[in-house]
Amino acid sequence: DQQVKQNSPSLSVQEGRISILNCDYTNSMFDYFLWYKKYPAEGPTFLISISSIKDKNEDGRFTVFLNKSAKHLSLHIVPSQPGDSAVYFCAASRRDDKIIFGKGTRLHILP
Amino acid sequence: ETGVTQTPRHLVMGMTNKKSLKCEQHLGHNAMYWYKQSAKKPLELMFVYNFKEQTENNSVPSRFSPECPNSSHLFLHLHTLQPEDSALYLCASSHGQGYNNEQFFGPGTRLTVL
Repeated sequence: DQQVKQNSPSLSVQEGRISILNCDYTNSMFDYFLWYKKYPAEGPTFLISISSIKDKNEDGRFTVFLNKSAKHLSLHIVPSQPGDSAVYFCAASRRDDKIIFGKGTRLHILP
Repeated sequence: ETGVTQTPRHLVMGMTNKKSLKCEQHLGHNAMYWYKQSAKKPLELMFVYNFKEQTENNSVPSRFSPECPNSSHLFLHLHTLQPEDSALYLCASSHGQGYNNEQFFGPGTRLTVL
């Protein structure tokens, strides 16, 4: 059973608009969450993370929101740029344990 | 070379072949990982090494055999694979094995088993 779920396989957003990628998790013991970005023919690269003691973490155009009661997190990208077109993986972990990844969401930024 | 490198980038092998995937990290990290990414599936952790010692084997079949001779190099030896083993195999490294240690990934080896 998947512990980290990204229910949207793909998402298309107009350049300049906000991209919102969603992620749900089932294990309430998770206390650290990460987003990775992957371009074709490259490995995933770390984008942003959030600890469960926070509900928001911002880094430039990227903001991650965590709703622990709903076991939901989201990644906001604003404004979206063409270089943001990639696959985005949500991941979660609990202390001293492995990271569990979701299936990924492919984001297309439209001109 | 910087970061995490993997060779070969593409590999086609028959079910009776024996081959090895190589991963090298130039980041001074102590933990290294093998992941498998199949189509439409999440990244699956296979093995973890911390300071050259295997600390995790995620119920991986014995036809996959990892080797970590030092903290900078990680191998995945393959033998008698099945077509369903065709996937992207990703290597990663991190400073430590703790959950909040950012993992740096290599570009992956695209494996096709015929």
